[in-house]
Amino acid sequence: DSGVTQTPKHLITATGQRVTLRCSPRSGDLSVYWYQQSLDQGLQFLIQYYNGEERAKGNILERFSAQQFPDLHSELNLSSLELGDSALYFCASSATGSNGYTFGSGTRLTVV
Amino acid sequence: AQKITQTQPGMFVQEKEAVTLDCTYDTSDQSYGLFWYKQPSSGEMIFLIYQGSYDEQNATEGRYSLNFQKARKSANLVISASQLGDSAMYFCAMRGRNTGTASKLTFGTGTRLQVTL
Repeated sequence: DSGVTQTPKHLITATGQRVTLRCSPRSGDLSVYWYQQSLDQGLQFLIQYYNGEERAKGNILERFSAQQFPDLHSELNLSSLELGDSALYFCASSATGSNGYTFGSGTRLTVV
Repeated sequence: AQKITQTQPGMFVQEKEAVTLDCTYDTSDQSYGLFWYKQPSSGEMIFLIYQGSYDEQNATEGRYSLNFQKARKSANLVISASQLGDSAMYFCAMRGRNTGTASKLTFGTGTRLQVTL
């Protein structure tokens, strides 16, 4: 157990639907990062939150949004889902000043 | 922009032998960090080793060592005494430390390592 918890582990949904992925960071880590891993695009950085505020944005589609709550857990919302959104979505967390990221086990999203 | 290149899509190594996984990088940052992660078939991303750009010594963690050649912009992972459990996908990644680049990890395309008997 890495200390980063992601739920659900698997999700199957239809095109056009909306889903929410949840991440609880490692205890004490203020930064949360979201990554998407797909076969055609590899591992892509989506967005980072630090202590509740958006810190950096990567290749995140407008249909996707995220937030970090006061208890530091984060949610990634994916809407108007398309087949191409099928991927493994990772959350990672890090501590201030740390050089490392700890990844959760990922949420495997399948859009049918 | 930062770029990581892993030119070996797949590698085979015999059990108990050493193997080197190649990684080259490109960045305009003066200060940066290099990482290696292991992704087994179960899918999780496992941190293996870290090298800072100003670290004078090559990083080592147990059977893993990072062969850092700054002038060549390479950060190869060496796994000694390979074990069957080392069979996995291996990713090289980089993070810059300058403002605007410090937050994200840029990943390479990965190398799939298969350890054989």
